[in-house]
Formats: sequence, C-alpha cells, structure tokens
Amino acid sequence: GENVEQHPSTLSVQEGDSAVIKCTYSDSASNYFPWYKQELGKRPQLIIDIRSNVGEKKDQRIAVTLNKTAKHFSLHITETQPEDSAVYFCAASKGSNYQLIWGAGTKLIIKP
Amino acid sequence: EAGVAQSPRYKIIEKRQSVAFWCNPISGHATLYWYQQILGQGPKLLIQFQNNGVVDDSQLPKDRFSAERLKGVDSTLKIQPAKLEDSAVYLCASSPGTGNTGELFFGEGSRLTVL
Repeated sequence: GENVEQHPSTLSVQEGDSAVIKCTYSDSASNYFPWYKQELGKRPQLIIDIRSNVGEKKDQRIAVTLNKTAKHFSLHITETQPEDSAVYFCAASKGSNYQLIWGAGTKLIIKP
Repeated sequence: EAGVAQSPRYKIIEKRQSVAFWCNPISGHATLYWYQQILGQGPKLLIQFQNNGVVDDSQLPKDRFSAERLKGVDSTLKIQPAKLEDSAVYLCASSPGTGNTGELFFGEGSRLTVL
C-alpha cells in the first residue's frame, strides 16, 4: 500500500530564515498532497495543498513543490516567524475519496 | 459556521473498561473520518464514512473498536475492552465529500488515557 515518509523529524531554524520539509510517497497513482499544521494541543489545520497536475503552489510565505517523477514533494516556509512553530504533517491520497496516508510529522522550532 | 464538535475532550479509564466518543461534523459534510493519533505520530485513519455508509475501515481493530454513523450525521466511536496501547487522541474530521477541495476539518479531539 501507499507509504509516506517525512523528513526531518525535527527542524530548528533561526527566526527569519527559511525552512524546508520533504516527503516521499510510494504510490505513483497518488494525485493529491496536502500539508497540515498542528500547534501544540490543537487540531491539525490545512495550510496548503497541491494536485498532481501542477508542480508548484504558493500562498504568501508558504509554498509546496511536487516532483512526480521522483515521487516527492516539499513544503517551503520563508521568513519564518515564532507562530510557525508547530508540527507539520504531509499526506498523500489518490482517487476521489481523499483517503489520506500521513507522514510522521516534522516538529518545526523557530529560534528567536 | 460551527466547527466539528467532539466529546468528551478527556477520558481516563482502566484497561478492559469501555469508552465511547461522539462527533458532530460540520453541517452538510457528507464524509466523516475517525483518526487515532498516538503521541509523536501522524494521524492514523480508523474509519471513513460517506453519509451513513463505510468507505474504509481496514485499519479499525474490529475485535474491540466499533463505529457508527446513524442517519449520516453524527457518529460514535466505541472501544471495548480498552487496552493500554489505545491511549491516544481520537480525532474526528469531516469534509464536504467527493469533488471538493479535499480539505479535512478536524475537531479538537478526545484524549484517552488507559491505565
């Protein structure tokens, strides 16, 4: 079945620097790739998603890139701020039922 | 718009006892998910409903877990008997259904501690 691997498990960056989190997936039929942010003790919330018919998507300081050939996708956060500190999860799914396979998460720490 | 409601927020039980969690999705959302999130891990799908039918329950430990979504609205997840390894946060999520953006809207979760 589908497997999603996420790296790194923990990422510490200086405030103002950029952060990059990478995920790889195994099922080449996957066509939907969301990223969720989960602050400590809170619910996961969608921050950005991308479909397999595009290679990049941006929303202000966050962007996601997709390489279908290599079967990996990445989250990029620029000009990091303290409120970016959270656990970020990538996921992948195929078809129309949105049965997501989740990565293990990356704890992002923003150092002041 | 009201979000996904879950209760109880916290529950502590001893092993072999039973527990039930309730979820009320966002009004009009056809798809409802129950996830188990163990500390430090990503959410694991337990069961997915489309209206009142089951789409996927392949990872639901059916010997002890059960879930229902009568009338295609709210849902309950039951664990009986509970084991120590069931300690986790149980997240309910909903989405409008097929053809939508794919965004899942999560509830605050129900944190279960099994002693």
